[in-house]
Amino acid sequence: DQQVKQNSPSLSVQEGRISILNCDYTNSMFDYFLWYKKYPAEGPTFLISISSIKDKNEDGRFTVFLNKSAKHLSLHIVPSQPGDSAVYFCAASGLTFGEGTQLTVNP
Amino acid sequence: GAVVSQHPSWVICKSGTSVKIECRSLDFQATTMFWYRQFPKQSLMLMATSNEGSKATYEQGVEKDKFLINHASLTLSTLTVTSAHPEDSSFYICSAYSQRGRETQYFGPGTRLLVL
Repeated sequence: DQQVKQNSPSLSVQEGRISILNCDYTNSMFDYFLWYKKYPAEGPTFLISISSIKDKNEDGRFTVFLNKSAKHLSLHIVPSQPGDSAVYFCAASGLTFGEGTQLTVNP
Repeated sequence: GAVVSQHPSWVICKSGTSVKIECRSLDFQATTMFWYRQFPKQSLMLMATSNEGSKATYEQGVEKDKFLINHASLTLSTLTVTSAHPEDSSFYICSAYSQRGRETQYFGPGTRLLVL
């Protein structure tokens, strides 16, 4: 039973545009969420987190939105840069990961 | 700089041998560390949660006698793959839970294990 789902395995965006990565979850007891970025053969890098008591958290080019009623969160990257190309994982309460979305930012 | 280190980063071993992987939190005390495994093109799979001074909690389907976890101090957890077989070849990642300022996890760089 996949409690955290990232339904888009891949996303391709032009440099300078906005990248929107989506994540859905099923367990309303999750109390915080995190987004990680992962390059091949490396450990994931923490990007940004959001507590379930908030609906938005912003850090530089990265903003995470949480819609608890829809059990949905999204990561916005703007403007997107080629160096953002990586696999992005969302995780609920740090322990349950989505399948990841491969983001490719084209120059 | 890196706050969690793993050693070794690469290991190649013969089938039947045991391999120990170390995970260290470098500048903070981690009461909880997590061990993950990643198969190619798949998400990270949580193997076990390791709390300092107590037995690790293993996820369903993970053999505790196969993957021995020790968390003897607040800065060190070890994963020992016992009697490794080729199917154990994978990328193993640890993370350390931190509550410094905000709740987050810091991940190690990972250890690539290849069992011949």
